[in-house]
Amino acid sequence: EIVLTQSPGTLSLSPGERATLSCRASQSVSSNYLAWYQQKPGQAPRLLIYGASSRATGIPDRLSGSGSGTDFTLTISRLEPEDFAVYYCQQYGSSPWTFGQGTKVEIK
Amino acid sequence: QVQLQESGPGLVKPSETLSLTCTVSGGSIINYYWSWIRQPPGKELEWVGSVYSSGSTNYNPSLKSRVTMSVDTSKNQFSLNLKSVTAADTAVYFCARSSGFFLYWGRGTLVTVSS
Repeated sequence: EIVLTQSPGTLSLSPGERATLSCRASQSVSSNYLAWYQQKPGQAPRLLIYGASSRATGIPDRLSGSGSGTDFTLTISRLEPEDFAVYYCQQYGSSPWTFGQGTKVEIK
Repeated sequence: QVQLQESGPGLVKPSETLSLTCTVSGGSIINYYWSWIRQPPGKELEWVGSVYSSGSTNYNPSLKSRVTMSVDTSKNQFSLNLKSVTAADTAVYFCARSSGFFLYWGRGTLVTVSS
């Protein structure tokens, strides 16, 4: 099973600042099959990025994904008020599909 | 727009079977994979397993001995049965459409295991 470790656990930033979230895999993720999700309290996760760098429909271009192999990054270039939430990475390159433990982006 | 809705009991007794159904609307269940994902209160997401519209399944090894999933194409529904539940199975259970990643999600339903 591939274990995904996200860092930091919490990111305290102000609107307009840049956020950099990390997701490290315990072994290489096949075909860079890595996705990122945003989750707000009481809601289902929302797909942001798939295939490590492809934005889902309707996701603004201030969000971008990068990386390959075992190291992946989600970058939010300028934080908007609606971006403050918990973010999860997920690998689907090998079964069982696994999620990271999440990074909370909170308002400083 | 594809929509999913979970349904089932919100309270299950220890050692009994948790049973949930997900109803898909706005699209066909045919030729897609459908998954269950759960999230214990305040914790991260865990993939439970997936079922294809043909009925073939893939379960998380951590739950494999207790999980059964099925699909009813005539009703555009798929189901989850988790037997011998304990308090550790208390979670919000989400159903979702899978392409490896999960694009469409239900709102989730909280299932509490308690006597």
